[in-house]
Amino acid sequence: SAVISQKPSRDICQRGTSLTIQCQVDSQVTMMFWYRQQPGQSLTLIATANQGSEATYESGFVIDKFPISRPNLTFSTLTVSNMSPEDSSIYLCSASSATNEKLFFGSGTQLSVL
Amino acid sequence: QQPVQSPQAVILREGEDAVINCSSSKALYSVHWYRQKHGEAPIFLMILLKGGEQKGHDKISASFNEKKQQSSLYLTASQLSYSGTYFCGTAGGSQGNLIFGKGTKLSVKP
Repeated sequence: SAVISQKPSRDICQRGTSLTIQCQVDSQVTMMFWYRQQPGQSLTLIATANQGSEATYESGFVIDKFPISRPNLTFSTLTVSNMSPEDSSIYLCSASSATNEKLFFGSGTQLSVL
Repeated sequence: QQPVQSPQAVILREGEDAVINCSSSKALYSVHWYRQKHGEAPIFLMILLKGGEQKGHDKISASFNEKKQQSSLYLTASQLSYSGTYFCGTAGGSQGNLIFGKGTKLSVKP
């Protein structure tokens, strides 16, 4: 199993600023994903973080707003850019060792934008 | 396309059984089931890859009807620890990017 460390665990940010969330996996993984979850709601897939290439974004999410990096097989970052209160949510990093294997999740980053 | 889960919520007494359903309007490559407790990350329960596949461990099992594009999660003789929100996640292809349903909130009472 993989252990995922995500930081920061929470942050309060001002409107118009950016926050970068880091995700570190304790072993090499093939797939890494970023999800967003509003309290009491479902998990919404933002993008698939591809190692060595651009991330693949889901409908409604764009690279300018949510730039993602994945420099190697154990690390990824998600930046939430030019934040507004609507970006307040929990952001979750997840990973799997192969395609269509079980997902492991980080503990999440609770973001509040004022 | 987001899979549809039912019911949205269920309340059980300890020892009772429950079934949670997950259906999709598109062909499915796989179905995953996860449980999330309040304030925690989702935890993997099981994955079903083949049509007609059934899996289970302890008193939790699941089935996958590929033809009907649906899966069901069965919780038998529920325990207090089963409380939480259950999500099904579906993959339309082999890439593994999961789209999750809205969840089913399960509460098990003594």
